[in-house]
Amino acid sequence: DTGVSQDPRHKITKRGQNVTFRCDPISEHNRLYWYRQTLGQGPEFLTYFQNEAQLEKSRLLSDRFSAERPKGSFSTLEIQRTEQGDSAMYLCASSETSAVHVFGPGTRLTVT
Amino acid sequence: AQSVSQHNHHVILSEAASLELGCNYSYGGTVNLFWYVQYPGQHLQLLLKYFSGDPLVKGIKGFEAEFIKSKFSFNLRKPSVQWSDTAEYFCAVIENNNDMRFGAGTRLTVKP
Repeated sequence: DTGVSQDPRHKITKRGQNVTFRCDPISEHNRLYWYRQTLGQGPEFLTYFQNEAQLEKSRLLSDRFSAERPKGSFSTLEIQRTEQGDSAMYLCASSETSAVHVFGPGTRLTVT
Repeated sequence: AQSVSQHNHHVILSEAASLELGCNYSYGGTVNLFWYVQYPGQHLQLLLKYFSGDPLVKGIKGFEAEFIKSKFSFNLRKPSVQWSDTAEYFCAVIENNNDMRFGAGTRLTVKP
């Protein structure tokens, strides 16, 4: 296990379509986070899981966004009815309770 | 609103110059502080962190940062930068074991 992986790395979709991203954390990490990063900004927190429980969700996470971590391992982030404003880099990170985040490479979403 | 502020959007230096990047935060609780770096085309990597103890922390690649509680600051320093330090630098804070909040980032360009 060499780190956090995300799939796909790039996604281009048309407005109104649904997209799903996957994150595989470091296996011994019990916390998993999703962030969104737009150009010129730092990552913005979306949501986080402790094992399979989703413990916190940002106001940025509208009803069109849903995240799951069904077995406490990998996680998925789904965006329904995508909008152009959803275009961003979606970052996943994992951590042990030490809170040091290890980030994945991100999924770059472009909504046309 | 609680926030993390990075004062410099873009810093341009010549090799061997000294570096200081400012970071201020507005959280009043117990904080954990981080600096992450993102090299061109790569994902976010941890440079250094502060949890408690000595307020002067040393990280990788010769970077250090000083936590000044009275100033709510955690500035990043390096005595002599190299061309390979060209990257984007993000300050981040975790307050009371909650989610991580990032500054907007500082782009560092080092001229050879």
